Amino acid sequence: DAGVIQSPRHEVTEMGQEVTLRCKPISGHNSLFWYRQTMMRGLELLIYFNNNVPIDDSGMPEDRFSAKMPNASFSTLKIQPSEPRDSAVYFCASSPVRAGVTGELFFGEGSRLTVL
Amino acid sequence: AQSVTQPDIHITVSEGASLELRCNYSYGATPYLFWYVQSPGQGLQLLLKYFSGDTLVQGIKGFEAEFKRSQSSFNLRKPSVHWSDAAEYFCAVGAGTNAGKSTFGDGTTLTVKP
Repeated sequence: DAGVIQSPRHEVTEMGQEVTLRCKPISGHNSLFWYRQTMMRGLELLIYFNNNVPIDDSGMPEDRFSAKMPNASFSTLKIQPSEPRDSAVYFCASSPVRAGVTGELFFGEGSRLTVL
Repeated sequence: AQSVTQPDIHITVSEGASLELRCNYSYGATPYLFWYVQSPGQGLQLLLKYFSGDTLVQGIKGFEAEFKRSQSSFNLRKPSVHWSDAAEYFCAVGAGTNAGKSTFGDGTTLTVKP
């Protein structure tokens, strides 16, 4: 079975450019999460969706960040404009969450972003 | 608010030796607890989880963890470490119906000496 698929795996861009990260969750999982991992701050939850609806975006750092989930099999995380401090590994994870139960997270391999 | 503390940033053990990684959590109700492992350049993979029931849970790759409510701990153990276990290990606490808002510890990096 295919796991969570993220693209691109690596992205190098210049400050001010728009960056779009993509994620395809595991089929049948109804929750999707975007995490950011850095040495300084560890793993941070940016936003998560249940049934394609954003539930909590309190972790999104600022208005430069936006995320969408137009359907159950696709999500994007966009940074516009990008800044060097956005350099990190961005993980997408999905979960077969059912009502009242915390499901474990299935992570993609991550997108390593470097903003010069 | 829920929180997770992993007191050990880095642990080194010899191959074949036993291992215990510590995890302490803070949460007002019965927690949902997880251990994940991350190999270099990879995403996190679930090792084991605790929701309820038996407080000693078995996971993949020969790992186990014990939930101790009185100590607010969920320590990960393995009786004999293999070189391939070298990785970073994360403890996480989830919040029941607020599914998905798992809070992660800062991780413990395991080095295995030959």
